[in-house]
Amino acid sequence: RKEVEQDPGPFNVPEGATVAFNCTYSNSASQSFFWYRQDCRKEPKLLMSVYSSGNEDGRFTAQLNRASQYISLLIRDSKLSDSATYLCVVNVNLRDNNDMRFGAGTRLTVKP
Amino acid sequence: NAGVTQTPKFRVLKTGQSMTLLCAQDMNHEYMYWYRQDPGMGLRLIHYSVGEGTTAKGEVPDGYNVSRLKKQNFLLGLESAAPSQTSVYFCASSRLGRGAEQFFGPGTRLTVL
Repeated sequence: RKEVEQDPGPFNVPEGATVAFNCTYSNSASQSFFWYRQDCRKEPKLLMSVYSSGNEDGRFTAQLNRASQYISLLIRDSKLSDSATYLCVVNVNLRDNNDMRFGAGTRLTVKP
Repeated sequence: NAGVTQTPKFRVLKTGQSMTLLCAQDMNHEYMYWYRQDPGMGLRLIHYSVGEGTTAKGEVPDGYNVSRLKKQNFLLGLESAAPSQTSVYFCASSRLGRGAEQFFGPGTRLTVL
């Protein structure tokens, strides 16, 4: 089993739609979780951290489900500019907080 | 502030050649990282550094060496390039602290023939 797994997609949705991605992780003791966004042929950029209580930033909501070992990202009212690849990132090495694992990414295309 | 910069942006090597990728950051970050990104595999950590003069192995360190002689620079070396090292290489940096945001450079596209 991969340490961090994502559905690669692609997810093709119309503008205004709500879309959700999940990401599963293998180490039940992992403590740090993030969503990064990567545009085509660009570098990844932090979208949001994922906290135990869940967190929201505008149209984006991130949640953590420790029992089932997954994190989720919900995007409401999708915009054309949301088209990108969304990377799930998890700290899997509990002795080293810098050792992060990236999922392969979920590609989202928002269409007019 | 330039953030994280990488040199070169593109490079083509022949099998067996060597090269060094340079990463520089101007944010006074303690931590620096080298990743490679291949289609369908996401980013994989090659080596990282938690401070000047220190380095550590990541998930896929074989075939690479690194050095951090100055806090702002992190070098990635390929001593004898192989076609399997064809990839996009990203450097990143972050401040101290668990869960700190990583800031990435624009990447280096390396092709080994």
